[in-house]
Amino acid sequence: GAVVSQHPSRVICKSGTSVKIECRSLDFQATTMFWYRQFPKQSLMLMATSNEGSKATYEQGVEKDKFLINHASLTLSTLTVTSAHPEDSSFYICSASVLGLDTGELFFGEGSRLTVL
Amino acid sequence: GQNIDQPTEMTATEGAIVQINCTYQTSGFNGLFWYQQHAGEAPTFLSYNVLDGLEEKGRFSSFLSRSKGYSYLLLKELQMKDSASYLCAVRDSNYQLIWGAGTKLIIKP
Repeated sequence: GAVVSQHPSRVICKSGTSVKIECRSLDFQATTMFWYRQFPKQSLMLMATSNEGSKATYEQGVEKDKFLINHASLTLSTLTVTSAHPEDSSFYICSASVLGLDTGELFFGEGSRLTVL
Repeated sequence: GQNIDQPTEMTATEGAIVQINCTYQTSGFNGLFWYQQHAGEAPTFLSYNVLDGLEEKGRFSSFLSRSKGYSYLLLKELQMKDSASYLCAVRDSNYQLIWGAGTKLIIKP
């Protein structure tokens, strides 16, 4: 299956700093990537849809100025959590689908666990 | 509104069979997915149903009834490594994925 790589897997930062998370499709081109957030014992919550070469589409309630998404190439999308606060501590997961695949299943990165002190 | 319901938690015994149900109410339907998610890890794809009926893949099978808005995931010959959360997701008419909250499956020896 297609491989999506996400980095870093864990990050601890101080309140007020910014953190960048990278999501790469390793063996396919992803024109669209999805960023999810997951709090403990809860399901995935779609934050935004990242489109290569254009602005991301944010879900209702997600601050686009706080969660900056850049999809500069067909294999890389980044999520930057700006001025992070403890309430931003969560598990962030990116995913992508492969064009032409019948099922349209999503392939997920390994996830990034962010802890803001 | 759109809604997906699945039990919060289930317990089963190693070697046994367990069925995890999922009911959905969505704006249109373009397929139903089951994903497995181990604690602290990202979800992995298990199955996809778009037509009514049963899809079998090894120890795992998934069933769909579109008229009833219902699916189940059947796990046979349970192993301890099957302890995980199982997420049901439906793709709606806009090709957006609607996720259930997940069912935590606990396997006991």
